[in-house]
Amino acid sequence: NAGVTQTPKFRILKIGQSMTLQCTQDMNHNYMYWYRQDPGMGLKLIYYSVGAGITDKGEVPNGYNVSRSTTEDFPLRLELAAPSQTSVYFCASSPPTTSANEQFFGPGTRLTVL
Amino acid sequence: AQSVTQPDIHITVSEGASLELRCNYSYGATPYLFWYVQSPGQGLQLLLKYFSGDTLVQGIKGFEAEFKRSQSSFNLRKPSVHWSDAAEYFCAVCPRGGTYKYIFGTGTRLKVLA
Repeated sequence: NAGVTQTPKFRILKIGQSMTLQCTQDMNHNYMYWYRQDPGMGLKLIYYSVGAGITDKGEVPNGYNVSRSTTEDFPLRLELAAPSQTSVYFCASSPPTTSANEQFFGPGTRLTVL
Repeated sequence: AQSVTQPDIHITVSEGASLELRCNYSYGATPYLFWYVQSPGQGLQLLLKYFSGDTLVQGIKGFEAEFKRSQSSFNLRKPSVHWSDAAEYFCAVCPRGGTYKYIFGTGTRLKVLA
């Protein structure tokens, strides 16, 4: 049981390049989330999904896209990288519930845009 | 507006000393409350959570937190800090009602002196 895995761990992009951050969970969780973490700012929610085929915007969605074709995978796409997207990105998942529940986090992807 | 405040950006304590990390929230109704810990280069791990009932909740690693409705606070405590507790600590809230969109505080970085 690997939990939440993210690839790559580190990446450097040039301005205008695109990339996909991968996230996979093997806990059969319905809910999945993408956050970005900037120094002194805590975690900001980018997008979330409550199940396969369903996604919704979080607090800071601009410049990102997501898809959820399976329960396990929730990739985050950056189409035109900008320096403002330099950050650490965390994927998380949580089980279905009628109330809030613990989120399980991946180890993060450190992205630098130059 | 809904918000979570962790007023202390950095805290330094000596090993063996007691610890209290502050968290205040601003919500119309009592949300679900969480404390997470992030070790350097790692994802976030849940320490404890409050949903309802006893206002003093116990967590992992010897941590506890007390919910005070009158003060809109959920402070984290530990009676005796160990060097391995050095990390960043995040308070998070999730509104009741099914949105499952967590809001994180900006974090408190704990340094432990030997």
